Amino acid sequence: SQTIHQWPATLVQPVGSPLSLECTVEGTSNPNLYWYRQAAGRGLQLLFYSVGIGQISSEVPQNLSASRPQDRQFILSSKKLLLSDSGFYLCAWSVRLAGTGELFFGEGSRLTVL
Amino acid sequence: GENVEQHPSTLSVQEGDSAVIKCTYSDSASNYFPWYKQELGKRPQLIIDIRSNVGEKKDQRIAVTLNKTAKHFSLHITETQPEDSAVYFCAASPGGNKLVFGAGTILRVKS
Repeated sequence: SQTIHQWPATLVQPVGSPLSLECTVEGTSNPNLYWYRQAAGRGLQLLFYSVGIGQISSEVPQNLSASRPQDRQFILSSKKLLLSDSGFYLCAWSVRLAGTGELFFGEGSRLTVL
Repeated sequence: GENVEQHPSTLSVQEGDSAVIKCTYSDSASNYFPWYKQELGKRPQLIIDIRSNVGEKKDQRIAVTLNKTAKHFSLHITETQPEDSAVYFCAASPGGNKLVFGAGTILRVKS
């Protein structure tokens, strides 16, 4: 069966520090991969998605970046965190089909920037 | 790009009553419309979805309707139960495996 792992689950970082959130999927090949952010009381904001290694589509032109160094690995990064980067970050994957399919979410990473 | 608006933001119903959540989308190219349920402290999970070649889909107590002309779709939950209490998200896909979510609706079912 397929599983998705996301870490760390919780982190507290000072403003201006770097960030690295990692996500890996097991039990499938060539998945579509996604990073969403869920601010308190808000919806799921699409940050990045990837349909293949090295292929990243950015929806939010901020100080965040994403990379996909391996087929089943998706990394969210920042060189210098802002207070507004605080939130709940969710990684997700879907089967690569002709059209968009069901997303399977990880357990999330809660980031607090102080 | 695609923009999805969802209403209401909060909905309280009595157990046994029906609940309706409505969403509108902006991109006429969108062709896939899923609904996700997020229980407190848990990850969102798909509960039902509909593609643009279908006007309505039903699965037990939940149903989704789609009006492509008006660019809106709705989630209907009948005979609500306390375990239906959660945050519900609609979403639309304009293609290319991109999925844009609405802001969410907090549903409270009072027993």
